[in-house]
Amino acid sequence: EVQLVESGGNLVQPGGSLRLSCAASGFTLSSYWMHWVRQAPGKGLVWVSRLNNEGTYTDYADSVKGRFTISRDSAKNTLYLQMNSLRAEDTAVYYCARDGPIGARSFDYWGQGTLVTVSS
Amino acid sequence: DNVLTQSPDSLAVSLGERATINCKSSQSVLYSSNNKNYLNWYQQKPGQPPKLLIYWASTRESGVPDRFSGSGSGTDFTLTISSLQAEDVAVYYCQQYHSSPLTFGPGTKVDIK
Repeated sequence: EVQLVESGGNLVQPGGSLRLSCAASGFTLSSYWMHWVRQAPGKGLVWVSRLNNEGTYTDYADSVKGRFTISRDSAKNTLYLQMNSLRAEDTAVYYCARDGPIGARSFDYWGQGTLVTVSS
Repeated sequence: DNVLTQSPDSLAVSLGERATINCKSSQSVLYSSNNKNYLNWYQQKPGQPPKLLIYWASTRESGVPDRFSGSGSGTDFTLTISSLQAEDVAVYYCQQYHSSPLTFGPGTKVDIK
């Protein structure tokens, strides 16, 4: 059974850093593109970042470019999102999501999310 | 960026009746090399992550009831729930996966009348 479990969300002060983790089970991370998507309280979904299956290509939303870094540890089958220079507007539930079978270009599995709150 | 707009913002439909949600993209999401529209639909219930319903604009994800259907091409798309059930109360989002940044529509809330 495919499962994605996020962790690492917390209350952090503006300008601070946080690293989110997404532990995958039931499939091998290195076989799929992976994404981070966020949702501010009461708001819609916003794509944040993606990593290709080979781990050689990354892509970011302009709002996080230069501050966030997506990566993975294949041995731990875990995806990460390093978040630096956090701002109040980064407050959101962060979901990791798996890109579907090759060619589908959709998010077929999602984690339950982890809450990041940026506030002083 | 490819901006997606959805209409209506919300709708209330009687049980067993049809619900129709529209999604319009500011740029075409048709991939000419394979004639596929990279437009997806997700359902999100309160307190839950989104769930994939439809990909390639009209292909139902495995396990999704056949009362859900998608149509459209290019820039205009529709999600139809043919006979609304109580468990369909949710927010529905369209998403384009044609160009970066990947974008979502603002969502349409569906309730029971």
